[in-house]
Order: sequence, then C-alpha cells, then structure tokens
Amino acid sequence: DAMVIQNPRYQVTQFGKPVTLSCSQTLNHNVMYWYQQKSSQAPKLLFHYYDKDFNNEADTPDNFQSRRPNTSFCFLDIRSPGLGDAAMYLCATRRTSSYEQFFGPGTRLTVL
Amino acid sequence: GQQLNQSPQSMFIQEGEDVSMNCTSSSIFNTWLWYKQDPGEGPVLLIALYKAGELTSNGRLTAQFGITRKDSFLNISASIPSDVGIYFCAGLLTGKLIFGQGTTLQVKP
Repeated sequence: DAMVIQNPRYQVTQFGKPVTLSCSQTLNHNVMYWYQQKSSQAPKLLFHYYDKDFNNEADTPDNFQSRRPNTSFCFLDIRSPGLGDAAMYLCATRRTSSYEQFFGPGTRLTVL
Repeated sequence: GQQLNQSPQSMFIQEGEDVSMNCTSSSIFNTWLWYKQDPGEGPVLLIALYKAGELTSNGRLTAQFGITRKDSFLNISASIPSDVGIYFCAGLLTGKLIFGQGTTLQVKP
C-alpha cells in the first residue's frame, strides 16, 4: 500500500545532541511537510518542500533544518535539541493537484 | 496568525449517540478538511470539502462546508467506542492548512 513512513517512531536524545528524523513516501507526491505537534495542540507547520523548493515558516527556529535528497525522502534535523523541542513530529505529503495532506504516523521525540 | 475556533473542546458521550462539532473562522476558506488522530498516531483524513454548501458523507460521518465559507461541521452518527480520538478541522488559506484546536471525543460503552 502507498503510504507515508516515519522512522523512528520514538526517539530519545540528550539536551544539545543533534538528532535526525526521517520520512519516506511511496505516494510519489511532490509536496512534503514537517509539522511539530505538542501535547493537546494542533500540528504546527515548520516547513515544506514543493519538489526541491524549500519553504520555511517565519517562526520556525534556526535550530530546525531539513533536507530532501529526492522525491521519496525528507529529513528533519534538530541541531541542538532543547527541552522545549520534545514533541511529536509529523511528516505529511500531498500531490500538486490536491490540497489533501496525508500524514505519517509521527515520531515522538523525547529530550533528556 | 489565522485561527480556527473549533468546538466543543471535548465531548464525553454514550455509545450510540450522535455527535456534532464545528469550526468557525473570520476568514474565508476554499477547502475544509477533517482529520481524526488516535493517541500516538498521525492524523488520518476523514473528509475533504471543496464547495460552499457541500455535504459529504463517509460512512457514519457527514461533514458540511458552510455557505459563508467561514465554517464547517462534522457529524458522527451512532457513535461506537473506536470513534474515540481527537478530531481536527483544517481550512486551506494561502496554500497552507490552518488547524483548529481539536475536539477530543470519548465514548462510553
């Protein structure tokens, strides 16, 4: 089945230790998104790619970076995680001709 | 930033009851999406709405795109225990999804 896959599902890191979260998709969608979701809150858009064009949200901290080496994969790098970065990180995709976004299962990040 | 007001914030109902929730905004949206999120999982798309006044069903779920294009409604009929979760509305504005704050639904068997 075509899907959005996120690895790992759970990630524990130490304060200040860089961490990378990954997202892959078999839907062949052009657009990929990264969201941060804290407990009991709505997802908050961090950035998105339209093909290889990177679009950063104005309020996304510089601590968050992203890479999209090809259509299928997208990575979220957190350079120096702080306690406030503990959250669920969601990847989503959509095709160009539709605004329906399809989410992966998320990665739960814990910062110790 | 833009906000969607989603209500109610939470609901605790008896199995078999119908459920209604809604989202309102001061902005006009061209698309409304409704998602359900189970604990520890990503949101799953339930229904997409594209036209003002549109009424769309997906099984026991029915959603409507408000005539003013500033609101949307989701109804769940004959609720069952697996309906438990958080329901999010999302409106499309300038190419981005604006999410409501979610409605947490609990169903008592």
